[in-house]
Amino acid sequence: GIQVEQSPPDLILQEGANSTLRCNFSDSVNNLQWFHQNPWGQLINLFYIPSGTKQNGRLSATTVATERYSLLYISSSQTTDSGVYFCAVINTNAGKSTFGDGTTLTVKP
Amino acid sequence: KAGVTQTPRYLIKTRGQQVTLSCSPISGHRSVSWYQQTPGQGLQFLFEYFSETQRNKGNFPGRFSGRQFSNSRSEMNVSTLELGDSALYLCASSFTGEDTQYFGPGTRLTVL
Repeated sequence: GIQVEQSPPDLILQEGANSTLRCNFSDSVNNLQWFHQNPWGQLINLFYIPSGTKQNGRLSATTVATERYSLLYISSSQTTDSGVYFCAVINTNAGKSTFGDGTTLTVKP
Repeated sequence: KAGVTQTPRYLIKTRGQQVTLSCSPISGHRSVSWYQQTPGQGLQFLFEYFSETQRNKGNFPGRFSGRQFSNSRSEMNVSTLELGDSALYLCASSFTGEDTQYFGPGTRLTVL
């Protein structure tokens, strides 16, 4: 099946810093989403981005489908940004979601 | 519009018992997917239902089953519970199954 790799696995930042999270996938996809999981386990949808670039406030994402990767940018990080960020893809042929292992972000005040 | 709801939120069972979890999707969504999250295995896809039919299935034993009703609400059942079934079970809904997925708050199952 499709492989999804996220990097880095852990990231520690000072409040106000910027960061880039990466998601590589091994096959063509027709769906890619970024999620933020809060400490209570709730997965919050950040972006649906199978291709192209989107922005939402301090967050933006870019997916280059032909090169099989996606990037999530967080600018001017805040302590409330802490948590685990997941990338999830749906493979064109398989039709089921595959999640990466996540990036654990810790933002220190 | 109400979000995805899951009941119960917490559950404690003993080995050998069975459990049924419920998921109510966002109004108008016809696809419901279930996931298991554990510290060791991460987030793993269980199955997806669309219009009362199982459309996709992950690599889980037959003890894990599900169904979807005509109002798109879905249930998943785990029979003969094992200690390793302790996990956070998440469901997600979407219009088609290939568009934006929205997750519920999860059911945390503990098997003793």
